[in-house]
Amino acid sequence: EDQVTQSPEALRLQEGESSSLNCSYTVSGLRGLFWYRQDPGKGPEFLFTLYSAGEEKEKERLKATLTKKESFLHITAPKPEDSATYLCAVQGNDYKLSFGAGTTVTVRA
Amino acid sequence: DVKVTQSSRYLVKRTGEKVFLECVQDMDHENMFWYRQDPGLGLRLIYFSYDVKMKEKGDIPEGYSVSREKKERFSLILESASTNQTSMYLCASSTLDGGYGYTFGSGTRLTVV
Repeated sequence: EDQVTQSPEALRLQEGESSSLNCSYTVSGLRGLFWYRQDPGKGPEFLFTLYSAGEEKEKERLKATLTKKESFLHITAPKPEDSATYLCAVQGNDYKLSFGAGTTVTVRA
Repeated sequence: DVKVTQSSRYLVKRTGEKVFLECVQDMDHENMFWYRQDPGLGLRLIYFSYDVKMKEKGDIPEGYSVSREKKERFSLILESASTNQTSMYLCASSTLDGGYGYTFGSGTRLTVV
């Protein structure tokens, strides 16, 4: 069974204080690792897909990296509008996505 | 802009009622999914469908059923609502191999009293 563990559960940052979120996974045949952003009361919004170890993707202040066992989402110089829950998911051989419980990021001005 | 639309944002139902949650996608996606999301538990898959009139159980199908009569529409049915089904319900769709991830709807917050 595919498993995804995200840490920490919650992260409180000062504006401009860079940090990283972790996503550890076990999966039978990784087809892709996905990062989503979810705002309160809304559905998850797609951010990145990573397909193989060593791959990196960037979008504004966010950068996602992938190794064979984990992925990191780096937030550089965050702003209050980066406050959200960030979800990690893996897709294995059965094509289904398995999600972690998420990391809730709060950025204070 | 591509969309997955869920018919209700908020819903309050009584214990024992039959509840229908509707989801429509306009991306011609083959796959559709129903998840529930609870604090600390993340997203858990209830049912999914790879094709019209086809359905498969996810991780927590008990107490639920689904219907997919048309490619763009996937309905979740709570046969007899119970208080432990109070949750956020999320519908999603994807291409057949899911290679671009899932597109989610905005969710339905269901409260069963």
